Amino acid sequence: SQTIHQWPATLVQPVGSPLSLECTVEGTSNPNLYWYRQAAGRGLQLLFYSIGIDQISSEVPQNLSASRPQDRQFILSSKKLLLSDSGFYLCAWIGGAVGIFGPGTRLTVL
Amino acid sequence: KQEVTQIPAALSVPEGENLVLNCSFTDSAIYNLQWFRQDPGKGLTSLLLIQSSQREQTSGRLNASLDKSSGRSTLYIAASQPGDSATYLCAVKEADSSYKLIFGSGTRLLVRP
Repeated sequence: SQTIHQWPATLVQPVGSPLSLECTVEGTSNPNLYWYRQAAGRGLQLLFYSIGIDQISSEVPQNLSASRPQDRQFILSSKKLLLSDSGFYLCAWIGGAVGIFGPGTRLTVL
Repeated sequence: KQEVTQIPAALSVPEGENLVLNCSFTDSAIYNLQWFRQDPGKGLTSLLLIQSSQREQTSGRLNASLDKSSGRSTLYIAASQPGDSATYLCAVKEADSSYKLIFGSGTRLLVRP
């Protein structure tokens, strides 16, 4: 079965600092991978998705970027964090019919 | 552009009550619809998935229906329990090749003992 790992689980960063969140997938090859953000009390906003190595699509213009250096690794980054980047970040594998989510990273930007 | 709406935003019921959560979507050209559960501070757990050709799916006390032509889905929870307290999210997978899941904002459910 497929498993998604995310780290770190929680992160507190000052405004202007860089960011790197990592997502790895087990149990499947060539997965379609996604980054979602969930702001407090709100739904999930699709940020990026990737159908393969170095193939990234961005859904909304923002302060973030994504990379996929390996088939089962998906990284979310920022060079300089903003207060508005705070939220709960979820990595997902969406294959065929189902969607499977990782445990999430809680990011607080101060 | 697909938009997914969930009503109500929050719901509080006494234990044992049957309840219905609603989800609507603006573009009926969907591949499937999925209901998820999210506990506070946690990731999402898939509950039920309905393919676009199906009308309903059942799992234990949960029953999800889909009316694609009217852009609606409901999640029915029978004999609710305090352990059902969580946020319930519905998501539609678009029928194009993008493989995107578009989420509603969720219904926050509290089942009181």
